[in-house]
Amino acid sequence: QQQVKQSPQSLIVQKGGISIINCAYENTAFDYFPWYQQFPGKGPALLIAIRPDVSEKKEGRFTISFNKSAKQFSLHIMDSQPGDSATYFCAASRSNTGNQFYFGTGTSLTVIP
Amino acid sequence: DAGITQSPRHKVTETGTPVTLRCHQTENHRYMYWYRQDPGHGLRLIHYSYGVKDTDKGEVSDGYSVSRSKTEDFLLTLESATSSQTSVYFCAIKGAGAGGYTFGSGTRLTVV
Repeated sequence: QQQVKQSPQSLIVQKGGISIINCAYENTAFDYFPWYQQFPGKGPALLIAIRPDVSEKKEGRFTISFNKSAKQFSLHIMDSQPGDSATYFCAASRSNTGNQFYFGTGTSLTVIP
Repeated sequence: DAGITQSPRHKVTETGTPVTLRCHQTENHRYMYWYRQDPGHGLRLIHYSYGVKDTDKGEVSDGYSVSRSKTEDFLLTLESATSSQTSVYFCAIKGAGAGGYTFGSGTRLTVV
């Protein structure tokens, strides 16, 4: 059973546009929701993360929106750039434990110049 | 990658042979994880460790074993490799408390 569902599988955006990736989870015990960015041949790297006590977190052009009641969260990339072309994974976990992170299946983002 | 190294980076092996992948960290983090990455499946947990000699199974542990005799090293062993274990394997580390993983650069394993 997929603990975290991610969509879309792939996304093509024009340079300067907004990229939006969505995730949904079931386990209400999750309290830490990171997003990872992965370039070809590299390991995933932590991009931004949010806790359920806030509805939005922004870091530069990257914003996480969190809807606790709907059990959904999304990544918005503003002013998308060709260098943002990568695979993005959402994840969820219970913090303060060593328990596993549950990952979405990934979204391949291509930003066209 | 921030104090975590995986070896080898690439390996081709034959079906039925044993294979060991190594993850080494210099961060002194308590938690270490092995994931496999496959198209359409994202990252799936194989095994994890919460301390020296303390390990537990993840969702795709069949056919894999692990060992952690030192804080800095976490070994993943495929006892008898099969073609279904062809994948990219990532090691990750995590400190105590809140926060995300730090991943290694991965090992691309091909079983022929």
